[in-house]
Amino acid sequence: EAGVAQSPRYKIIEKRQSVAFWCNPISGHATLYWYQQILGQGPKLLIQFQNNGVVDDSQLPKDRFSAERLKGVDSTLKIQPAKLEDSAVYLCASTPDSYEQFFGPGTRLTVL
Amino acid sequence: GEDVEQSLFLSVREGDSSVINCTYTDSSSTYLYWYKQEPGAGLQLLTYIFSNMDMKQDQRLTVLLNKKDKHLSLRIADTQTGDSAIYFCAVRSNDYKLSFGAGTTVTVRA
Repeated sequence: EAGVAQSPRYKIIEKRQSVAFWCNPISGHATLYWYQQILGQGPKLLIQFQNNGVVDDSQLPKDRFSAERLKGVDSTLKIQPAKLEDSAVYLCASTPDSYEQFFGPGTRLTVL
Repeated sequence: GEDVEQSLFLSVREGDSSVINCTYTDSSSTYLYWYKQEPGAGLQLLTYIFSNMDMKQDQRLTVLLNKKDKHLSLRIADTQTGDSAIYFCAVRSNDYKLSFGAGTTVTVRA
């Protein structure tokens, strides 16, 4: 079974630029999560999708972050404009049943 | 949200047992998890325990849960160099959200 795929793996941008991350969850997994993991911290939930609907986006900084999950499969997370404090690893996870979340390798973002 | 605390570092000799501790605040937590993260990789689920259990053993891994003290521990028997990684405690609340600790970096020395 293929795991959760994410791209790109690494991204370096200047502050105020825009960036987008892509996630392809495990086939058949209805629930998809985006987490932000700042160096030295545990992952923090940004947004949760159930199929193509948003379940929880209470921790998403909506003035600069947006996310969508078209057709209930792939998802993109966008930051526009980026700030220095957005430097982190962005993890995507999916689950079929809310008990075990399967994580992708993450995208490491550096904002200069 | 849920507060989850872990010690940051653990150094252990190869072949010894490792014990990683975690405390949490939400007494209504249903599932408690241990994840492993190796450099450049995502999180890998090692094991989990349901809140009505005291202990769970899975090969070299033993999870102990003290619900009264809101304390969770992970014991790795016969620690190997491949066990060097960051270990995260995570707690699932009734709304199915996972809250993670900051992670414990385990270093295995020869």
